[in-house]
Amino acid sequence: AQKITQTQPGMFVQEKEAVTLDCTYDTSDPSYGLFWYKQPSSGEMIFLIYQGSYDQQNATEGRYSLNFQKARKSANLVISASQLGDSAMYFCAMRGGGSQGNLIFGKGTKLSVKP
Amino acid sequence: DAGVIQSPRHEVTEMGQEVTLRCKPISGHNSLFWYRQTMMRGLELLIYFNNNVPIDDSGMPEDRFSAKMPNASFSTLKIQPSEPRDSAVYFCASSLWQMNTEAFFGQGTRLTVV
Repeated sequence: AQKITQTQPGMFVQEKEAVTLDCTYDTSDPSYGLFWYKQPSSGEMIFLIYQGSYDQQNATEGRYSLNFQKARKSANLVISASQLGDSAMYFCAMRGGGSQGNLIFGKGTKLSVKP
Repeated sequence: DAGVIQSPRHEVTEMGQEVTLRCKPISGHNSLFWYRQTMMRGLELLIYFNNNVPIDDSGMPEDRFSAKMPNASFSTLKIQPSEPRDSAVYFCASSLWQMNTEAFFGQGTRLTVV
């Protein structure tokens, strides 16, 4: 069975500093995709970044990068130069390949950026 | 595109009543997901459709919950009878049926059962 684990219920970071949000996963699928979403207090789910299981390079999108360590089954999100607007819940998610196309989420990490 | 559209945005109902949540996915998307979000349990996948066919409903909590997708542009999640513990935010999301494509979420329906 697939599983996503986010062990940090809450994190604090100083504005302009970098922060790493942890995510580990478990799957028997050889092909899978890993996603990060942001949920601000307004409630909408915003897609941030994607990493495929066969991708050789770590994904980057602006200030977001994904530290993908396949052997350790981890897919940590790194946010550089934190901004006050980054305060939100962050969810790691995984989607299986082949016929297993469901998308499951971890419990999330609440990030608070301090001025 | 207008994005994934859910209705209603808010629903307050009395215990025992039937509740129907609605979702219109993005045109051209062939995968649809229903999630329930609570503080205690996080974001739970309830059911997943592909090409209008339910693929995985193992997350549906009880027989009181049912979901349908009669066509590619409409899905419903029904709770009958509703109970206070069903109070949550229910999200619908759609995507292409490809591992490397993100799911787009609706704004959610906040359900309160009193």
